[in-house]
Amino acid sequence: KQEVTQIPAALSVPEGENLVLNCSFTDSAIYNLQWFRQDPGKGLTSLLLIQSSQREQTSGRLNASLDKSSGRSTLYIAASQPGDSATYLCAVIKGAQKLVFGQGTRLTINP
Amino acid sequence: KAGVTQTPRYLIKTRGQQVTLSCSPISGHRSVSWYQQTPGQGLQFLFEYFSETQRNKGNFPGRFSGRQFSNSRSEMNVSTLELGDSALYLCASSSSGGLAYEQFFGPGTRLTVL
Repeated sequence: KQEVTQIPAALSVPEGENLVLNCSFTDSAIYNLQWFRQDPGKGLTSLLLIQSSQREQTSGRLNASLDKSSGRSTLYIAASQPGDSATYLCAVIKGAQKLVFGQGTRLTINP
Repeated sequence: KAGVTQTPRYLIKTRGQQVTLSCSPISGHRSVSWYQQTPGQGLQFLFEYFSETQRNKGNFPGRFSGRQFSNSRSEMNVSTLELGDSALYLCASSSSGGLAYEQFFGPGTRLTVL
């Protein structure tokens, strides 16, 4: 059974810092890994999708890496801003269109 | 392109009632998935439809059901509501039946069962 873990569960940093969020998964036979952000009471916004054949993806200040062999992904946020405050979720697809989610990292950026 | 839309956004029901939630995917997307999000269990997969066929189902009781129409719009139904069904219900759409495609989520329907 695929399990996804995100550490830390919560993170608070001052504005302007670079930070890394971690995601690990138990079964390396995945098709892709997707990072989302969720604002309180809202739906999920897709940030980055990394397909199994890729090692990383970049979008603006965000960079996500994938190491299937070790079952790990990281989301790097550069020059953090208060607007980045949200819960960040990673999810993997192994098969059958079913996303398996981690519990998320609640990020707070302090002005 | 319009995003994934879900209606209604909020619902309040009492135990024993039934409820129907609706999801309209992004235009051209044929795969629709449903998820339940609660503080204790996080995000859990309910089911996925592609071209009007349910392809996969999560570990939820038979009170949870769904369907997809020929225009790819999807509905999910929960019968005999229980207090534990209170949750944010999210649907996601994807452009293809393939597994490597990005999934896009709607804003969710917040269901409260009293």
